[in-house]
Amino acid sequence: DQQVKQNSPSLSVQEGRISILNCDYTNSMFDYFLWYKKYPAEGPTFLISISSIKDKNEDGRFTVFLNKSAKHLSLHIVPSQPGDSAVYFCAARKAAGNKLTFGGGTRVLVKP
Amino acid sequence: DTGVSQDPRHKITKRGQNVTFRCDPISEHNRLYWYRQTLGQGPEFLTYFQNEAQLEKSRLLSDRFSAERPKGSFSTLEIQRTEQGDSAMYLCASSFLPGQAFSYNSPLHFGNGTRLTVT
Repeated sequence: DQQVKQNSPSLSVQEGRISILNCDYTNSMFDYFLWYKKYPAEGPTFLISISSIKDKNEDGRFTVFLNKSAKHLSLHIVPSQPGDSAVYFCAARKAAGNKLTFGGGTRVLVKP
Repeated sequence: DTGVSQDPRHKITKRGQNVTFRCDPISEHNRLYWYRQTLGQGPEFLTYFQNEAQLEKSRLLSDRFSAERPKGSFSTLEIQRTEQGDSAMYLCASSFLPGQAFSYNSPLHFGNGTRLTVT
């Protein structure tokens, strides 16, 4: 039972354009959502998070949007840079929970 | 801030052998997590500690797996009688939970993992 899904395994975008990564979840008990970025041979690095009481959180080039009614979140990266090429994971945590549940990841390639 | 440190980075072992991995969390973090990641998948939760207490274990953690955090600082994950299906990246993460809070919105900080190959 995959509670967090990233349906696009890969994404290719031109440098300077917007990257949009999508994530869907099924468990309505999730109340805290995060995006992680992972380079090869490294552990995931925290990027940005959002609480369920918000619908948008922005940090520099990264913005996360949450649509609770659709159980959908997205990560926007603008402008995309070659250094953004990595695998991106969305993750979710239940209210009063402790562990994170991860999606399967989306590989992003930013072309110069 | 030296980050989360994991040792070794790589481990190759023969089926049936025991292996032990170590994780040193960020020093002020009281929570420590173990995850496993296989190729093409996201990290899967195994277990977590608050200080020295192991508070939750996944059903993925068979009786061949044991984790400890004896002094509430570093942690070890041991796999006994390894099987080829144990081949994966084992990730450790830590976070901080303030005071008596049961839950708190803070991200997990991951180490670079230990890649286990069972031949």
